[in-house]
Amino acid sequence: DAKTTQPPSMDCAEGRAANLPCNHSTISGNEYVYWYRQIHSQGPQYIIHGLKNNETNEMASLIITEDRKSSTLILPHATLRDTAVYYCIVRAAYNNAGNMLTFGGGTRLMVKP
Amino acid sequence: EAGVTQSPTHLIKTRGQQATLRCSPISGHTSVYWYQQALGLGLQFLLWYDEGEERNRGNFPPRFSGRQFPNYSSELNVNALELEDSALYLCASSLVAGGRDTQYFGPGTRLTVL
Repeated sequence: DAKTTQPPSMDCAEGRAANLPCNHSTISGNEYVYWYRQIHSQGPQYIIHGLKNNETNEMASLIITEDRKSSTLILPHATLRDTAVYYCIVRAAYNNAGNMLTFGGGTRLMVKP
Repeated sequence: EAGVTQSPTHLIKTRGQQATLRCSPISGHTSVYWYQQALGLGLQFLLWYDEGEERNRGNFPPRFSGRQFPNYSSELNVNALELEDSALYLCASSLVAGGRDTQYFGPGTRLTVL
């Protein structure tokens, strides 16, 4: 799976949009971009994933650049409960060799009042 | 729809003992993954079960083992506990669809080895 690079930390004001970047310059054509977040000492929470088109769900939007070498997770109206570590993960489609998630350092997002 | 559940929430053991952790996947999910997250560290892949079979394991010693039952629930066993086994143990379940599987995590079991 391709390696990802994320800033170690970011701040965001409550009610504003939080834009979390991720670089994945070595991504392959069959690899998806997944985002998870982990609130302190809880299990990671799945947020969203995409291949090449932009995606939106009730939690967030995922913007993937045309060359697929980077992406941005957008939380449109951040709340204090969005304070967490956000992980960007690139992984291939399901295969029988192993489908474990590889978590990097992630971005620690602090939403401030 | 109920999410992934894990039990117990907390577990305290002493060195040399055995620990058993349990995981119930989301209904309809056939794959279960186990991860270890030591304090301040990232998630490390432990084991992957699918359709009752162990499909892959991470770089952990054999004293970490498990199984998956016919109802797809799973058990992780850690024998001869060591202090460094103290960690949050996370279970995730998934269902393969369209060539992809999205893993959904449970709340974890906090294992403390004294």
